[in-house]
Amino acid sequence: AQTVTQSQPEMSVQEAETVTLSCTYDTSENNYYLFWYKQPPSRQMILVIRQEAYKQQNATENRFSVNFQKAAKSFSLKISDSQLGDTAMYFCAHSSGNTPLVFGKGTRLSVIA
Amino acid sequence: DAGVIQSPRHEVTEMGQEVTLRCKPISGHNSLFWYRQTMMRGLELLIYFNNNVPIDDSGMPEDRFSAKMPNASFSTLKIQPSEPRDSAVYFCASSSTRLGTEAFFGQGTRLTVV
Repeated sequence: AQTVTQSQPEMSVQEAETVTLSCTYDTSENNYYLFWYKQPPSRQMILVIRQEAYKQQNATENRFSVNFQKAAKSFSLKISDSQLGDTAMYFCAHSSGNTPLVFGKGTRLSVIA
Repeated sequence: DAGVIQSPRHEVTEMGQEVTLRCKPISGHNSLFWYRQTMMRGLELLIYFNNNVPIDDSGMPEDRFSAKMPNASFSTLKIQPSEPRDSAVYFCASSSTRLGTEAFFGQGTRLTVV
């Protein structure tokens, strides 16, 4: 069974600083996809970034980037130049092809002014 | 497109009553998912459909829960009878069947059973 583990229930970061959120996963598939979703207080689930397992290059979206270590089954999210609007729950998720997303328990990130 | 639309946004009901949650997926998406979010268990998949057909309902807690997708643009999740432990946020999400596509979520229904 696929599992996703986020070991940091809560984190905080000063505005303009950099923070890294951890995620590990377990799968027997060779081809799969990894995602980070953001859930602000509005409750909306918003896709932040996506990584295909067959791609060695780490995905980047503006201030958000990932460190994908396939052998270690690790998929961390780095947020650079943190902004107050980044305050949210962040969920790591895994999918093998057409299978539904499996989510970690989330990390609550607070950005402090 | 307006995105995934769920109704109602909030629902408060008494224990024992029937509750029906509704979802309209993004037009053209072939897959639809129902998730439940609680503090204790996080985001759990309840059931998902491909081309309106239920594929996996192993996440449905018990027989009190049922879901239908009568056509490509509408799905319901019903709880009958409801219990206080069903209180949670229920999300509907949809995606295309193209490999690697993300799921797009509705804004969720916050259900409170008193």
